[in-house]
Amino acid sequence: GAVVSQHPSWVICKSGTSVKIECRSLDFQATTMFWYRQFPKQSLMLMATSNEGSKATYEQGVEKDKFLINHASLTLSTLTVTSAHPEDSSFYICSASPATEDRSQHFGDGTRLSIL
Amino acid sequence: AQKITQTQPGMFVQEKEAVTLDCTYDTSDPSYGLFWYKQPSSGEMIFLIYQGSYDQQNATEGRYSLNFQKARKSANLVISASQLGDSAMYFCAMREGNTGGFKTIFGAGTRLFVKA
Repeated sequence: GAVVSQHPSWVICKSGTSVKIECRSLDFQATTMFWYRQFPKQSLMLMATSNEGSKATYEQGVEKDKFLINHASLTLSTLTVTSAHPEDSSFYICSASPATEDRSQHFGDGTRLSIL
Repeated sequence: AQKITQTQPGMFVQEKEAVTLDCTYDTSDPSYGLFWYKQPSSGEMIFLIYQGSYDQQNATEGRYSLNFQKARKSANLVISASQLGDSAMYFCAMREGNTGGFKTIFGAGTRLFVKA
């Protein structure tokens, strides 16, 4: 079945650092990928839709300058948290699906980001 | 705007018994998909079951079945013969559109506790 790989699994870094998270579709091409954020004991909140070869579409309230998304190829999307601060600490998870598939999104295993 | 509502923050069920997790949704799009995911404490999202808006039959996947009441806009998950390993967070989700390129939004989730 379709596999999505997310890296890294854990990140701990100092305040002010920029952190890059990668999301790869391993055995299919994904023109669209999605980035979610999840706070402890809460639901997944969609941050943005990553579009291959074009600008990402951000959900209302998400700072596009804080969360930079690049989807340079059909198998890779990256989320960069710029100048991270403790309030950016969260669980970030990506998903993707073959364009013609009508069933589930395939999720990465997520990245736990802790900003000290 | 699309919306997903899960009104049960937590549910308890005795091992080997059945449990129903509630989900209602709101959309004006005639073409949509409904999903249930399981999220254990490790964080990964596990796809359980899918129901398309045009599907005539209720979806079933092993011990999981989806009680789809289209007129009521409800998509409850039924887990039969509960197991201790079913203890986890469960999310109902909806995608407007019928392929993987459309975004998926999630309900607040229900935490299920299975008692021995």
